Amino acid sequence: ELKVEQNPLFLSMQEGKNYTIYCNYSTTSDRLYWYRQDPGKSLESLFVLLSNGAVKQEGRLMASLDTKARLSTLHITAAVHDLSATYFCALLKIGGNTPLVFGKGTRLSVIA
Amino acid sequence: EAQVTQNPRYLITVTGKKLTVTCSQNMNHEYMSWYRQDPGLGLRQIYYSMNVEVTDKGDVPEGYKVSRKEKRNFPLILESPSPNQTSLYFCASSLGVWGSGNTIYFGEGSWLTVV
Repeated sequence: ELKVEQNPLFLSMQEGKNYTIYCNYSTTSDRLYWYRQDPGKSLESLFVLLSNGAVKQEGRLMASLDTKARLSTLHITAAVHDLSATYFCALLKIGGNTPLVFGKGTRLSVIA
Repeated sequence: EAQVTQNPRYLITVTGKKLTVTCSQNMNHEYMSWYRQDPGLGLRQIYYSMNVEVTDKGDVPEGYKVSRKEKRNFPLILESPSPNQTSLYFCASSLGVWGSGNTIYFGEGSWLTVV
């Protein structure tokens, strides 16, 4: 069974600081997604990571994937208030049409 | 504009009264899916569909039904809703196999309360 664990689940950080959200998973996968969700809103796709060593960046967010360690990270650089949201990683097992499995999410609050 | 449209967006209903949440996408996507989101549990998949007339159970299918008679529509049916089905529901769609890296589009969500 594929399990996805994110940490931390809650993160309060000051504007201008850097931080990393971690996404660990239990079985082999090379399809990992990061989503952002604002309160009461839908999910916005941030990144799709397709292979070991993949790194993608958009603005102050950078995501990476290490399939050998079964780990993806979402790094936040010089946080700003607009980044406050809940961030989810999600992935699926190689070779099947199995459900996309989500982590429980990391609720990020950026404070002045 | 690429869209996944869910209706209703908000609904309060009573235990046992059948209801349907509709989902429609305008992107000619093959893959569609339903998730429920509950506090502290993240999103869990209820059912998914790989194409017309092809559906399969996700992680939490109990108490739900789906159908896929047309490519664009994937309704979620609660035959006899119970309070533990109070949740935020999302429909999602994707062009091809989930694992091909295609973007997965989510609807705006449907808040369902069963009293």
